[in-house]
Amino acid sequence: EVQLVESGGGLVQPGRSLRLSCTASGFTFGDYAMSWVRQAPGKGLEWVALIRSKFYGGTTEYAASVKGRFTISRDDSKSIVYLQMNSLKTEDTAVYYCTRGLYGLLTGYYVDYWGQGTLVTVSS
Amino acid sequence: DIQMTQSPSSLSASVGDRVTITCRASQDIANYLAWYQQRPGKVPKLLIYAASSLQSGVPSRFSGSGSGTDFTLTISSLQPDDVATYYCQKFNRAPWTFGQGTKVEIK
Repeated sequence: EVQLVESGGGLVQPGRSLRLSCTASGFTFGDYAMSWVRQAPGKGLEWVALIRSKFYGGTTEYAASVKGRFTISRDDSKSIVYLQMNSLKTEDTAVYYCTRGLYGLLTGYYVDYWGQGTLVTVSS
Repeated sequence: DIQMTQSPSSLSASVGDRVTITCRASQDIANYLAWYQQRPGKVPKLLIYAASSLQSGVPSRFSGSGSGTDFTLTISSLQPDDVATYYCQKFNRAPWTFGQGTKVEIK
């Protein structure tokens, strides 16, 4: 059974940093892209960041709203993907979901599994 | 960046009705589009990938169509369990942008 379990959320002051972790199980972690999606209270979904599998270069992509402040990384030996969030702003307050990206030659990428999410609250 | 626009933003329909939600991309994204269902208080769930492929375990009343810039999610016979917000997401290249969501309610 595929499981994605996020941790590391909490209350943090504006300007500070926080690191989220997502521990995966039930699949060969290194074969998949991983991404983070967030949802502010009462709002829609916002894609945040992506890290491709090592097979596809392990390259990363970011939403414009977080580029330069957030860093996604992965440790395939531990089946964990991280999101380092620096210079946090009040508008970064959201539930952060870890997601698995599946790639197919005919289908391209799509996200097929989501974690339960972890709440990040940025407030003084 | 490519923008994804869903319409309508909300709708109310009766049980058994056919419901159609549209997602429009500002540029051609081929068939690199997925649809998700998010029930109130729950985690999003994949319904459709590659514009028209039904995810395993999803009821057959859900279907997707379209290519290029215009896409549709159809619920052939709306059920009470379908009350949710539905999102499209593009995957042709990063950023993997979502539509703003369509909230579906029962009349």
